[in-house]
Amino acid sequence: EVQLVESGGGLVQPGGSLRLSCAASGFTFSSYEMNWVRQAPGKGLEWVSYISSSGMTTHYADSVKGRFTISRDNAKNSLSLQMNSLRAEDTAVYYCARTSEMTFDYWGQGTLVTVSS
Amino acid sequence: DIQMTQSPSTLSASVGDRVTITCRASQNISKWLAWYQQKLGRAPKLLIYRASSLKSGVPSRFSGSGSGTEFTLTISSLQPDDFATYYCQQYNSLWTFGQGTKVEIK
Repeated sequence: EVQLVESGGGLVQPGGSLRLSCAASGFTFSSYEMNWVRQAPGKGLEWVSYISSSGMTTHYADSVKGRFTISRDNAKNSLSLQMNSLRAEDTAVYYCARTSEMTFDYWGQGTLVTVSS
Repeated sequence: DIQMTQSPSTLSASVGDRVTITCRASQNISKWLAWYQQKLGRAPKLLIYRASSLKSGVPSRFSGSGSGTEFTLTISSLQPDDFATYYCQQYNSLWTFGQGTKVEIK
């Protein structure tokens, strides 16, 4: 069974940093591209970042470019999102999602990030 | 950037109704469109990919159509489990979601 479990969310002050993790199991992690998607409270879905199966290629939404860094450790079946210079508008539930044929076929349960003083 | 616009934003319907949601892309995305269902407090689930291909395990009452810039998601006979928010997503150029359509009980 495919499982994606996010962790690392919490309360952080504006300008602060946070590192999210996503633990994958039930599939060959190194064979799949991965993405992060976020959802602000009461709002819609926003794509955040992509990483190729090897980790060599990454993409970011303009809203996070230069502040967030996606990475993966295929030996540990783990995906990460390093978030720096956090802003109030980054407050959201962050989901990791497995990518198959460019669509997001499995999602984690999400982890809440709150940016507030 | 490609913008995705869904209509309506909210839809009130009864069990057994045929429901149609429209999604428009700001430019031609061929058939690179997916539909997701999200229930309150839960992660989204993929329903349809490549505009009209049903993901394995998704009930056949869900169907998708369209190409280019205009797409539809149809639920042929609304069931109690279908009351949720639905999102379209383009993947022709990176990824963009529509703003969502909430299907609520009439």
